[in-house]
Amino acid sequence: DAKTTQPTSMDCAEGRAANLPCNHSTISGNEYVYWYRQIHSQGPQYIIHGLKNNETNEMASLIITEDRKSSTLILPHATLRDTAVYYCIVTQGGSEKLVFGKGTKLTVNP
Amino acid sequence: NAGVTQTPKFQVLKTGQSMTLQCAQDMNHEYMSWYRQDPGMGLRLIHYSVGAGITDQGEVPNGYNVSRSTTEDFPLRLLSAAPSQTSVYFCASSYHRISGANVLTFGAGSRLTVL
Repeated sequence: DAKTTQPTSMDCAEGRAANLPCNHSTISGNEYVYWYRQIHSQGPQYIIHGLKNNETNEMASLIITEDRKSSTLILPHATLRDTAVYYCIVTQGGSEKLVFGKGTKLTVNP
Repeated sequence: NAGVTQTPKFQVLKTGQSMTLQCAQDMNHEYMSWYRQDPGMGLRLIHYSVGAGITDQGEVPNGYNVSRSTTEDFPLRLLSAAPSQTSVYFCASSYHRISGANVLTFGAGSRLTVL
């Protein structure tokens, strides 16, 4: 599975959009980009995933560059409850094995 | 719909003791797995199963046993606990699609301390 690179930490003001970047320059054609988050010590929570196209759901938007070598998770109106560690994971279609890095610690400030 | 249920939430063991962490899901998911998370680290895969009677090793399987006798349950056994197994353990499940995306649902975690 392709390796991902994320910033260690980011800050965002409450009510503003949070844009979390992820580099996955070695991604292959059948690999999906997944985003999960972990709030404090809770179990990871699925946010969104994509293959080639941009995706949006009730939680977030996922923007994947045309060459698929990077992506951005967008939380449109961050709240204090969005403070968490966000993991960008790339894995093959059909695989459930997620390889977690250290993720990005997002702090939403009042 | 309870999702993925893990018990116990907290456990303290002495070195050499054995115990079983329980994981149950009510979503009829074929795939189940166990991860461990050490302080400041991401999760690492211990064992996984794609259906009843089928198990396989993940990244860090040593010191752990699993079995899958039913679709719903996937217990993780520590036969002789060691301090290095002090960690937070997460169980996860999903439908098993042989192509396409598979989204995992995680349990709340079991925090294990081995003295």
